[in-house]
Amino acid sequence: QQPVQSPQAVILREGEDAVINCSSSKALYSVHWYRQKHGEAPVFLMILLKGGEQKGHDKISASFNEKKQQSSLYLTASQLSYSGTYFCGTEKGAQKLVFGQGTRLTINP
Amino acid sequence: SQTIHQWPATLVQPVGSPLSLECTVEGTSNPNLYWYRQAAGRGLQLLFYSVGIGQISSEVPQNLSASRPQDRQFILSSKKLLLSDSGFYLCAWSDDRSYGYTFGSGTRLTVV
Repeated sequence: QQPVQSPQAVILREGEDAVINCSSSKALYSVHWYRQKHGEAPVFLMILLKGGEQKGHDKISASFNEKKQQSSLYLTASQLSYSGTYFCGTEKGAQKLVFGQGTRLTINP
Repeated sequence: SQTIHQWPATLVQPVGSPLSLECTVEGTSNPNLYWYRQAAGRGLQLLFYSVGIGQISSEVPQNLSASRPQDRQFILSSKKLLLSDSGFYLCAWSDDRSYGYTFGSGTRLTVV
């Protein structure tokens, strides 16, 4: 089952914060987050494993609530370079990732 | 370090023609390999998955097939392309459940 992301699109001004949510109807072992720039391949950001952990690097962090089968990606003090489409991916057994439909993030100066 | 190569970068093919896209991974052994397709402005659809030589799992019934003739080589093929096969094809690899996928640079296929 494909995870559901919200919102579908976000427009921010540089320096503002954003939250992207990812939810699944099935129990999750892990959640992946990727960013894709227009015309390029997705780039891995981080993975959150079962255990309800929170991870982050720079000003991008994420949380994983396995009981609620949800994950959220937090972008603080957004930079122009954060623009792109963000995908969450959840495991469909045996390391097969199923991706959400994506959230398009636009950062304006 | 590990690298993934995917080619060609762009391809324009007529309807009914065959297809062969190749992906190779360097710097790792026995990787899990994947083919994804992305329609314009859409998400990533898993097409095929392989855990080893000759082991292919098909996720979506369609006009495509995949093969893994060598440990670090993954090939996507079609005997006769359809218009609906157009899209951005991405190869990816992973070798540990605690790490993410690394994607190749992709092939943009247009069937005309």
